[in-house]
Amino acid sequence: DQQVKQNSPSLSVQEGRISILNCDYTNSMFDYFLWYKKYPAEGPTFLISISSIKDKNEDGRFTVFLNKSAKHLSLHIVPSQPGDSAVYFCAASPTTSGTYKYIFGTGTRLKVLA
Amino acid sequence: GAGVSQSPSNKVTEKGKDVELRCDPISGHTALYWYRQSLGQGLEFLIYFQGNSAPDKSGLPSDRFSAERTGGSVSTLTIQRTQQEDSAVYLCASSFTGGGTAEGYTFGSGTRLTVV
Repeated sequence: DQQVKQNSPSLSVQEGRISILNCDYTNSMFDYFLWYKKYPAEGPTFLISISSIKDKNEDGRFTVFLNKSAKHLSLHIVPSQPGDSAVYFCAASPTTSGTYKYIFGTGTRLKVLA
Repeated sequence: GAGVSQSPSNKVTEKGKDVELRCDPISGHTALYWYRQSLGQGLEFLIYFQGNSAPDKSGLPSDRFSAERTGGSVSTLTIQRTQQEDSAVYLCASSFTGGGTAEGYTFGSGTRLTVV
């Protein structure tokens, strides 16, 4: 039972355009969310996070939006660059259980075309 | 070291054999985590060590899996009598404190285990 779902296994975007990666979750107790980026043969690296008290968090070209009623979050990358090509994982946790037990999605492979 | 080091990077083993996967965390990081990613699945939490506290083993999928962390540093994940469904990438992460937010996680590059 996938509590965190990334329904698009892959996405291709032209350089300079917006990339939108989506993530849905089922557990209403989740209140902290993160995005990680993973290059081939490397471990995932933290990208951006958001807590449920916010609906938006921005860091440079990366913005995460949270829609709690829809149990949906999305990562926007504007403008997309070829170096953004990687696998992106969203992760979620109910802070009451200890924030180390993150539930990860299956990942979306983003390819930014030059 | 500068990062989390995992060895081996790749391991092919025959079904039924035991394997040991090693994780060398960042020096000074008190918390250590093991995750795995099976084909088509997300990153699955396996076990968490924090200092001298008893580890949280709630994510280990069966009693064939065990892990230890010696001296609060290096950790070894052992899989006994491997099965084909154990094939996955096993990722280790460490952080300065446990129970905090995952921004502090530094992941290693993983061990790709293939059971044939």
